[in-house]
Amino acid sequence: EVPLLESGGGLVRPGGSLRLSCAASGFTLDKHGLTWVRQAPGKGLEWVSSMSPIGATTYYADSVKGRFTISRDVSKNTLYLQMNSLRAEDTAVYFCAKSPEWLFPSVDSWGQGTLVTVSS
Amino acid sequence: EIVLTQSPATLSLSPGERATLSCRASQSVSSYLAWYQQKPGQAPRLLIYDASNRATGIPARFSGSGSGTDFILTISSLEPEDFAIYYCQQRHSWPLTFGQGTKVEIK
Repeated sequence: EVPLLESGGGLVRPGGSLRLSCAASGFTLDKHGLTWVRQAPGKGLEWVSSMSPIGATTYYADSVKGRFTISRDVSKNTLYLQMNSLRAEDTAVYFCAKSPEWLFPSVDSWGQGTLVTVSS
Repeated sequence: EIVLTQSPATLSLSPGERATLSCRASQSVSSYLAWYQQKPGQAPRLLIYDASNRATGIPARFSGSGSGTDFILTISSLEPEDFAIYYCQQRHSWPLTFGQGTKVEIK
């Protein structure tokens, strides 16, 4: 059983929008911290956004603040990342990850990633 | 923003050798530092959390030490599956930041 499974990546034009999904299995989203991390081709890891396990407080990197929104649907046990006003520099593999409350926002389990390509 | 600087960028070693990776923070992160391993085409894997605690299922050859601004990840005797890229990450304050990575390659 794969605990986290991302989907929704693809090719989008600059200025466009995309919504990534991360389906969770084997645990409930509302009891864990949730995080999106991205990795541009051939580059290192970059934190994007997190949601705390208590109160669902959200946090964003400056590079995406005002353009990206993290959210969750507890009934579907799914995490989302709504990405608007996409830029070429947003091209990356996007990973969702989870953490127990005591470890947040470090993460103990990752999805396999979904590739987002922003290009005209 | 806390900047994490990892050194060296690349470490060339043979199986069985000891690997010592460094992560230095631009300001104190207390013990809130994690280490991740990433192999090509795979998601990262948590190795060490809060500076010195091995994550579930991580072999004892991996150990972490340090506090404040200077941290070390040690692999006591490299196995073939340990050749990968290693990242440190701090959770002391927002924004969450990662180091740029150290690649451990086969000599």
